Amino acid sequence: AQSVSQHNHHVILSEAASLELGCNYSYGGTVNLFWYVQYPGQHLQLLLKYFSGDPLVKGIKGFEAEFIKSKFSFNLRKPSVQWSDTAEYFCAVNLLPRYSSASKIIFGSGTRLSIRP
Amino acid sequence: DGGITQSPKYLFRKEGQNVTLSCEQNLNHDAMYWYRQDPGQGLRLIYYSQIVNDFQKGDIAEGYSVSREKKESFPLTVTSAQKNPTAFYLCASTPRSTGGSTEAFFGQGTRLTVV
Repeated sequence: AQSVSQHNHHVILSEAASLELGCNYSYGGTVNLFWYVQYPGQHLQLLLKYFSGDPLVKGIKGFEAEFIKSKFSFNLRKPSVQWSDTAEYFCAVNLLPRYSSASKIIFGSGTRLSIRP
Repeated sequence: DGGITQSPKYLFRKEGQNVTLSCEQNLNHDAMYWYRQDPGQGLRLIYYSQIVNDFQKGDIAEGYSVSREKKESFPLTVTSAQKNPTAFYLCASTPRSTGGSTEAFFGQGTRLTVV
């Protein structure tokens, strides 16, 4: 079955620590990949996206992610987190069938990130 | 301004009543989606539609129904058969995949409370 897995449900870090959040998907075809962030009390915001080209993509607020096709992974990284990065992070995958322009976007269950000041 | 409008923002209904959530977009997107967001479970796909008059069930379609009579509109009905309808509902749309980015654009959401 098609799915997106985020293995870390809750991550707690101190300020200035490095961050890596895992995302794996199960689908054999072409995908577009996204990370969204939801700050407390706010709505989903796109952090970064991959749809072709360089597998290392940079997003807003110093975040980056690397698409490793052989591992079906799209992990999110940030070298040094800040207290303001406290939020919930969602990985999303758009599954693109080969002979159709149709698509289906599915999300992971999210990772809650708490940063200690 | 282009975007997705969900209404109402808050909705209260008595148990046993059907309720319809509105979603309208003026982005000229072909695909539209309904998700349900519950704490600790992320966004779960209820229904999605790629073109007018066609839609597919997502992972948790039971107790929900949709229609897509116009490209701009994708209303979701939460029926009395949905066992746990109280949740935050998000509507999204994406452009047709033609080699470019297909990121989802989201509405502001509707918080449904069934009492």
